[in-house]
Amino acid sequence: GESVGLHLPTLSVQEGDNSIINCAYSNSASDYFIWYKQESGKGPQFIIDIRSNMDKRQGQRVTVLLNKTVKHLSLQIAATQPGDSAVYFCARYIPTFGRGTSLIVHP
Amino acid sequence: GAVVSQHPSRVICKSGTSVKIECRSLDFQATTMFWYRQFPKQSLMLMATSNEGSKATYEQGVEKDKFLINHASLTLSTLTVTSAHPEDSSFYICSASAESSYNEQFFGPGTRLTVL
Repeated sequence: GESVGLHLPTLSVQEGDNSIINCAYSNSASDYFIWYKQESGKGPQFIIDIRSNMDKRQGQRVTVLLNKTVKHLSLQIAATQPGDSAVYFCARYIPTFGRGTSLIVHP
Repeated sequence: GAVVSQHPSRVICKSGTSVKIECRSLDFQATTMFWYRQFPKQSLMLMATSNEGSKATYEQGVEKDKFLINHASLTLSTLTVTSAHPEDSSFYICSASAESSYNEQFFGPGTRLTVL
């Protein structure tokens, strides 16, 4: 069946460093992936998405990479800031959410 | 951007009572709404998908008679937790998508339910 999972539950970085959050998927039929950010006690916020006909997509300070060969995608956050501290989920539409990675940014 | 609201944001109830949670799309027509449950330090689990004017589709393991979903209009869906028990305490989140942008989901802020 479909599963979307994350490699690490927690990622700690220093302010200004680049962060990389990884996600693996098992169903090759997935054609659309989304990264969400969830702050404590709030609903998920859309960050960036990518379709399977793309390998890379860039937004403001964020980049998503999709490797269909190994069924892996990653979210890269440049110059991480304390405001980036949150739980990050990868999901596919219709959303199956991964376990989540808690990003902790130390000032 | 599209805004989805939920009401109430927090609710505390006694065991055995029913609780209704509302999910509204404020500035767009939501043809599809989704309901999720999230336990502490866990991911979001899809409970059901509802399309306006039709019965909700529940995920495996979700009791439809316990979690009643009504999507009576293009801007409102309600989730009623019937005969709530402490194990139903959770963070309930809805999301909505419009027919014109089916792949985009807009999430509500969530409702924290505590059953005593």
